[in-house]
Amino acid sequence: AQSVTQLGSHVSVSEGALVLLRCNYSSSVPPYLFWYVQYPNQGLQLLLKYTSAATLVKGINGFEAEFKKSETSFHLTKPSAHMSDAAEYFCAVRDPGANNLFFGTGTRLTVIP
Amino acid sequence: EPEVTQTPSHQVTQMGQEVILRCVPISNHLYFYWYRQILGQKVEFLVSFYNNEISEKSEIFDDQFSVERPDGSNFTLKIRSTKLEDSAMYFCASNSRGVQETQYFGPGTRLLVL
Repeated sequence: AQSVTQLGSHVSVSEGALVLLRCNYSSSVPPYLFWYVQYPNQGLQLLLKYTSAATLVKGINGFEAEFKKSETSFHLTKPSAHMSDAAEYFCAVRDPGANNLFFGTGTRLTVIP
Repeated sequence: EPEVTQTPSHQVTQMGQEVILRCVPISNHLYFYWYRQILGQKVEFLVSFYNNEISEKSEIFDDQFSVERPDGSNFTLKIRSTKLEDSAMYFCASNSRGVQETQYFGPGTRLLVL
């Protein structure tokens, strides 16, 4: 069965510092992996996705994530945090043959000026 | 850029009442989904819908829930007799090629059952 674990429900970084949000997955087959962002009072917006092509995936707003099969991880990074990055970030997994997404519990990112 | 829209943005209802949550998917999309997020918890899949029928549903999607595509643009989620534990944010999503493609989410409807 698919599942996603996001370590750290809250992460705080200083403006300009590295952002690292962790995601580990379990799946019976090579999965598709996604990062979504949710700004306050808004819906889920796709940041980036991995669908078995390049293991390093670049997304919007300067974010990127690397698929590491040996570590079953798909951590999200950004070299330099901006105040506008403050939001809730969700990692999600989907088996290639399935329709539905399985989400992690989310990580709330706070950016300190 | 096309987007998924949902109405209402907020709904308050009494326990036992029926509610209908509405979604307008992106116009050329054929696959539709409902998810919910109870406050402080993860986003959970409820149901997927294609070609006027349910293609997949979770354990959460019991007989109290139903979905419908009443016309060419709307996709609705009905809860027949709401319970306190149905209070959540409900997200609609859609895509054009099902498993091959990213799901695009609406802004959600926050449902509060009193």
